Amino acid sequence: DAGVIQSPRHEVTEMGQEVTLRCKPISGHDYLFWYRQTMMRGLELLIYFNNNVPIDDSGMPEDRFSAKMPNASFSTLKIQPSEPRDSAVYFCASSLALPLAYNEQFFGPGTRLTVL
Amino acid sequence: AQSVTQLDSHVSVSEGTPVLLRCNYSSSYSPSLFWYVQHPNKGLQLLLKYTSAATLVKGINGFEAEFKKSETSFHLTKPSAHMSDAAEYFCVVSDRDNQGGKLIFGQGTELSVKP
Repeated sequence: DAGVIQSPRHEVTEMGQEVTLRCKPISGHDYLFWYRQTMMRGLELLIYFNNNVPIDDSGMPEDRFSAKMPNASFSTLKIQPSEPRDSAVYFCASSLALPLAYNEQFFGPGTRLTVL
Repeated sequence: AQSVTQLDSHVSVSEGTPVLLRCNYSSSYSPSLFWYVQHPNKGLQLLLKYTSAATLVKGINGFEAEFKKSETSFHLTKPSAHMSDAAEYFCVVSDRDNQGGKLIFGQGTELSVKP
């Protein structure tokens, strides 16, 4: 398996533009997670899905952020409109089951977003 | 609520010397603990995990960690550092209060290895 695939790897956009980040989880994994990493706040969970259904979106910073998982092999994280403070590295991860059951999360390489 | 504290933001060692990265956790329950490593411009990779089966956990690349309940610690060690170990290391606990889906990350420890 190729692992978790994210695209694009780098995104530079201007404030106010819509940004869409994409993720393909490992085949057979029932859970998908979106994280954001910044120097100030470290790694934060934004949202996670189980079998394509959002389970916990309490980490989504505000209404400008939305995430979807239309099928088991694809998820998007959308920011509309984007702001400079959204600049960060966004990671997607997938797992067979929850970390509570000691299950490893497999991380993608991340998307580095810069909002000018 | 669960939390982890990584006691050092940066550790520097010489190649061939031991590595110690310190982590303390706070949990009302028996915790699920992990160490992840992040190399520059890469995603995170699991080093090892505590599953309650054994207090001394062996991971990849010669790393190991010991779970000490009395000290609420889960320190990461390696007997001999290699240049390729230079990376950022995260101590992580699973949030049992949140359906077990949320990983809580420490702030990270950057490991530098000098030749």
